[in-house]
Amino acid sequence: DGGITQSPKYLFRKEGQNVTLSCEQNLNHDAMYWYRQDPGQGLRLIYYSQIVNDFQKGDIAEGYSVSREKKESFPLTVTSAQKNPTAFYLCASIADAGREEQFFGPGTRLTVL
Amino acid sequence: GQSLEQPSEVTAVEGAIVQINCTYQTSGFYGLSWYQQHDGGAPTFLSYNALDGLEETGRFSSFLSRSDSYGYLLLQELQMKDSASYFCAVRVRGGSYIPTFGRGTSLIVHP
Repeated sequence: DGGITQSPKYLFRKEGQNVTLSCEQNLNHDAMYWYRQDPGQGLRLIYYSQIVNDFQKGDIAEGYSVSREKKESFPLTVTSAQKNPTAFYLCASIADAGREEQFFGPGTRLTVL
Repeated sequence: GQSLEQPSEVTAVEGAIVQINCTYQTSGFYGLSWYQQHDGGAPTFLSYNALDGLEETGRFSSFLSRSDSYGYLLLQELQMKDSASYFCAVRVRGGSYIPTFGRGTSLIVHP
């Protein structure tokens, strides 16, 4: 079955440590996105990538980094510079800019202790 | 930038009809999408409106009025499984597809 996978589902890290969240898709989609969701909040865009080897900052990119070396993979690194990293992180993709439906992964809940 | 407003919570009983409103302020508006998200789960796409009017998909319908910068999601014959958060999202004109999401409306369906 085609889809987006994120691993792990739950992640715990100590304050000051960098952590990388995985996002893989086998939908052959061009564009991929990372969102952060806090309780009672909507989805806020961290980074997005329209094509391989290219990505742009979203609204809340500070303290995060990404790479897009392969079409199917878009990992997100939460660095120690992110002041409040505990959140639910969602990865999404879309076939191309002409489509409207974003497909989301199951999410990773990151807790920084 | 863009801003969207939705009610934070709506409650209804099983079998009823409920409407979730979304008003937006944006330049270069292109279309309005709706997503459903169950607690702890991934958002799933429900509908998209680019033109004024009503789009129907089974029990769910979505409406858009571009002149009023307003849309709504209509859920009919409510079921317990419809208890979830519902997000509207705007798309603006441009080459890249970068939606802006509202804060979401928590729908609670009572038996």
